[in-house]
Formats: sequence, structure tokens, C-alpha cells
Amino acid sequence: AQSVSQHNHHVILSEAASLELGCNYSYGGTVNLFWYVQYPGQHLQLLLKYFSGDPLVKGIKGFEAEFIKSKFSFNLRKPSVQWSDTAEYFCAVNAAGNTGKLIFGQGTTLQVKP
Amino acid sequence: GAGVSQSPSNKVTEKGKDVELRCDPISGHTALYWYRQSLGQGLEFLIYFQGNSAPDKSGLPSDRFSAERTGGSVSTLTIQRTQQEDSAVYLCASDPGRADTQYFGPGTRLTVL
Repeated sequence: AQSVSQHNHHVILSEAASLELGCNYSYGGTVNLFWYVQYPGQHLQLLLKYFSGDPLVKGIKGFEAEFIKSKFSFNLRKPSVQWSDTAEYFCAVNAAGNTGKLIFGQGTTLQVKP
Repeated sequence: GAGVSQSPSNKVTEKGKDVELRCDPISGHTALYWYRQSLGQGLEFLIYFQGNSAPDKSGLPSDRFSAERTGGSVSTLTIQRTQQEDSAVYLCASDPGRADTQYFGPGTRLTVL
């Protein structure tokens, strides 16, 4: 069965610090990979996604993620965080060509101190 | 344009009662998903509808849970004989049917007393 593991449950950073959130998945086939973000009081929204091609993908608000197939990883990065990045971040996968149902990681709460 | 909407936003019920949660997907989206977000369990897939195909019910936790989608649009998730462990935020999402980006609604927070 597919599973997703996010290593950091709660991260606290100061503004301008660099961010990297880990995500590893378990699945033997081809996957599509996503990072979703949930800002306080808001809906889940897509941050970025990887389907194929360049393994380094860029998303909204300066976020990027790198797909490393050999490590089954899809880590999220941002060079310099802002207070407005305070949110919960979810890594998710679905099996390419399958139903589209997402398997989510447990989520990482990011708190950015001004 | 309008996003995914869900109603009610909050629902408090007594153990043993039945509840219905509603989802209105984005117009034209053929795929609709239900997920549950609860403490300790994270975000779990419940059920998936795609056009006229049989739904994927593989995530429903028990036979107390059911869902239907009428006319390929609105969906209702029904929980019968609610239990305290059903307390969670129930999220609905839709996509254009290409298993691409899912757009999530605001969720219904269900509290079972």
C-alpha cells in the first residue's frame, strides 16, 4: 500500500531562514507528487506538483521541490521564509494513471517568527 | 469562479444520530473526492466519484459511511449512527477528471457528543 512520511511535525523558524521539509513515499510504481498548504483559517491549496519532466519544480510564493526517484523523496524548500508562510504543509502522492485519490503525509506545522 | 463549497460548515450531533454532509464541486469538474482530517489520523481518503463510473469506496472506514453523487454534481456523505471517533473535519475536493490538481472545499467540522 502507498504511504507518505513527513519527518518534521513542527518546525519553528525565524524570518529569512531557509526551509526544507522532508517527504518520503512508499510505492513501487509511477507516482504524481504534490505539496499542499493550509494557511490558518483557509482551505487546502496546491503549492506545487510533479508529474514528469524536470525533477525540480517551482510553485507559488517562492517554494520549490525536488523529486529524487532513487530516494523516493520530494522535499520542499524555500530559501528565505516569511511570517506569512506560517501554515500547515502536506505532502501527497497518487498513483499515476490511477483514480487520482491522494495519500497524504501527516503534515508539518511551520511557525515563522517575525 | 466559484470554488468547492460545503455545508454545513459546522455540525454538532449526538452519538447515534445520522448526519448528512453536502458538497458542491466546481462546475464542470467530473471527479469528486471526500477526505477526512482528524487529529492523530491526518488526512484520509474516503471515497471518489468519476463521471458515471462506479465510485471507489476503498477508504470508507465502516458500513455506517456512504456517499452518493446526484446528476454528476452535488454529493452527499452520510454517516449513520455516529460515534465519537467520527468527529473530524470532512473535506470535499474536485478536479476536472484528469487526476490533476484537486481543489478543496472549506470542510465540515463534525463533532459527535
